[in-house]
Amino acid sequence: AQSVSQHNHHVILSEAASLELGCNYSYGGTVNLFWYVQYPGQHLQLLLKYFSGDPLVKGIKGFEAEFIKSKFSFNLRKPSVQWSDTAEYFCAVNDRDTGRRALTFGSGTRLQVQP
Amino acid sequence: GAVVSQHPSRVICKSGTSVKIECRSLDFQATTMFWYRQFPKQSLMLMATSNEGSKATYEQGVEKDKFLINHASLTLSTLTVTSAHPEDSSFYICSARDLSGISSYNEQFFGPGTRLTVL
Repeated sequence: AQSVSQHNHHVILSEAASLELGCNYSYGGTVNLFWYVQYPGQHLQLLLKYFSGDPLVKGIKGFEAEFIKSKFSFNLRKPSVQWSDTAEYFCAVNDRDTGRRALTFGSGTRLQVQP
Repeated sequence: GAVVSQHPSRVICKSGTSVKIECRSLDFQATTMFWYRQFPKQSLMLMATSNEGSKATYEQGVEKDKFLINHASLTLSTLTVTSAHPEDSSFYICSARDLSGISSYNEQFFGPGTRLTVL
């Protein structure tokens, strides 16, 4: 079974600081990778996704993520965070080999950006 | 992007009663919808996969007689929590896959969630 690990549970940054959130998954086959964001009181929104091709993926709001297959990682980055980035961030995976459509989520990282 | 709605957004019920939660894809068709459960400060855990016109597929440990899922049309799936108990209190979230377009392959759109509190 797949599992997804997000090692940072709670991150506190000042505005303009750089951000990197870790995500590692356990499945060794072909995967689709996602990062979702959940702003306070709102539903999950897709930040970015990786299916194939260029392992450096750019998403909305200046976020990007890099897929490193050898490390089973898909870390999320942003060069300069803003107060409005305060939210919960979830990494998610599904495997393409079995055709399983459902996502396996990491435990989430709460990002708090201080003005 | 595609929109998924859930109704109600929050519900409080007495122990022993049943609660129905609706999940609708508003501007697209979805043969597959997913039901997740989110505990406070934890991640989303998949409960079941809802398939239009057929039986839902439940994850291990999820009681199918407790959490009844019906996916009667391409835009509506319902989750009924039967004989609810306080331990069923949680945040229930649905998602739906858009059938159209290769670019949306495997992309799921999430509903806003339903907070269930069982007294």
